Amino acid sequence: DVKVTQSSRYLVKRTGEKVFLECVQDMDHENMFWYRQDPGLGLRLIYFSYDVKMKEKGDIPEGYSVSREKKERFSLILESASTNQTSMYLCAIQRPNTGELFFGEGSRLTVL
Amino acid sequence: AQSVTQPDIHITVSEGASLELRCNYSYGATPYLFWYVQSPGQGLQLLLKYFSGDTLVQGIKGFEAEFKRSQSSFNLRKPSVHWSDAAEYFCAVGARGSQGNLIFGKGTKLSVKP
Repeated sequence: DVKVTQSSRYLVKRTGEKVFLECVQDMDHENMFWYRQDPGLGLRLIYFSYDVKMKEKGDIPEGYSVSREKKERFSLILESASTNQTSMYLCAIQRPNTGELFFGEGSRLTVL
Repeated sequence: AQSVTQPDIHITVSEGASLELRCNYSYGATPYLFWYVQSPGQGLQLLLKYFSGDTLVQGIKGFEAEFKRSQSSFNLRKPSVHWSDAAEYFCAVGARGSQGNLIFGKGTKLSVKP
């Protein structure tokens, strides 16, 4: 079974704090993604990575950065959290050739 | 422009009734097609996928979907809904044979009446 593990299920942070969300896979896949999910807006792509140290901006990268130092780990960073970044964050990996995504259980972030 | 439309935001069905969730897409060529399900507070789980061949595909939990090229549709069906099927359902499309982001619909929330 594919396993995508997000380090924190629930976080509460204060405005201006730096936030790290980590995602780890056990499948050795190249492509990894970070989405945020908000009611009525569906899934929006923040960043994705297609290899170690490689990254591409998605649809809403502003206010976020990412890090991929090892193939199995893809981190999402909020340099200075704001209340409008309160959301559910989902990490996914992509199976080669077929393109299907496998998701972690999500990290629900609340910024006060 | 590439897009996925799920026309129904919220559907309520009675337990034991049949279900059909609609999905229409706009894409340059025939894409790969997916349905995902999300239970409250959880990530998305792949229900089924269509790549090629038989246009009726079977998935997990008793779900099936039919690809209709002429209608650019990939509707999800289940003959008899169970209370545990209450969740949000997402249709997604992706480019054939390549990697990259999938395009997701905004989801249909399914409620099940006892």
